[in-house]
Amino acid sequence: EIVMTQSPATLSVSPGERATLSCRASQSVGSNLAWYQRKPGQAPRLLIFGASSRATGIPARFSGSGSGTEFTLTISSLQSEDFAVYYCQQYNYWPPVTFGGGTKVEIK
Amino acid sequence: QLQLQESGPGLVKPSEALSLTCAVSGDSISSGNNYWGWIRQPPGQGLEWIASMYYGGSPYYNPSLKSRVTISVDTSENQLSLKLSSVTAADTAVYYCARQASMNWFDTWGQGILVSVSS
Repeated sequence: EIVMTQSPATLSVSPGERATLSCRASQSVGSNLAWYQRKPGQAPRLLIFGASSRATGIPARFSGSGSGTEFTLTISSLQSEDFAVYYCQQYNYWPPVTFGGGTKVEIK
Repeated sequence: QLQLQESGPGLVKPSEALSLTCAVSGDSISSGNNYWGWIRQPPGQGLEWIASMYYGGSPYYNPSLKSRVTISVDTSENQLSLKLSSVTAADTAVYYCARQASMNWFDTWGQGILVSVSS
């Protein structure tokens, strides 16, 4: 099973600032990585697939990068609606599909 | 527009079986290359994939749950089902159904349903 590790667990950022979230895989997953946003009481939303491709309707301020074992989700200028929990997911080797533990982006 | 809606009991007794249904609208569960899956999130914890399947294909299960889980599709009702047997308090979670695009990422999720296991 591939273990996904996200850091930091919590990220405190002021509106308008850049947020950088990390995700590490226990072994290479190529570019087979997705990022999701989850807000309380809402369904998780796909942000990024293929490590760097934005899903339909996702604003350009969200960008993904990386390959192999190290990945980054960057939110270039945080908006109020971006404060949420973010998860990475690998789909290179499954079953099982595995998710990271999440990074909570909170208002500083 | 694709929509998924989970339904089922919100409370299940320990040792009993949990049964959930996911109604799919805006897409046919039997078309395309999509898989359909279940994911859960226990309180205060991260996301855990449970199972996925493709219409007409074999299901895939999380090894940690495989002995207790059954996933199925009903094409006549266009819905996905999950059965988890012998539940314990550790199975308390929000359960989501989702479309797994081309066997990869989950591109559309339901709102989720909270299932508590308690006597």
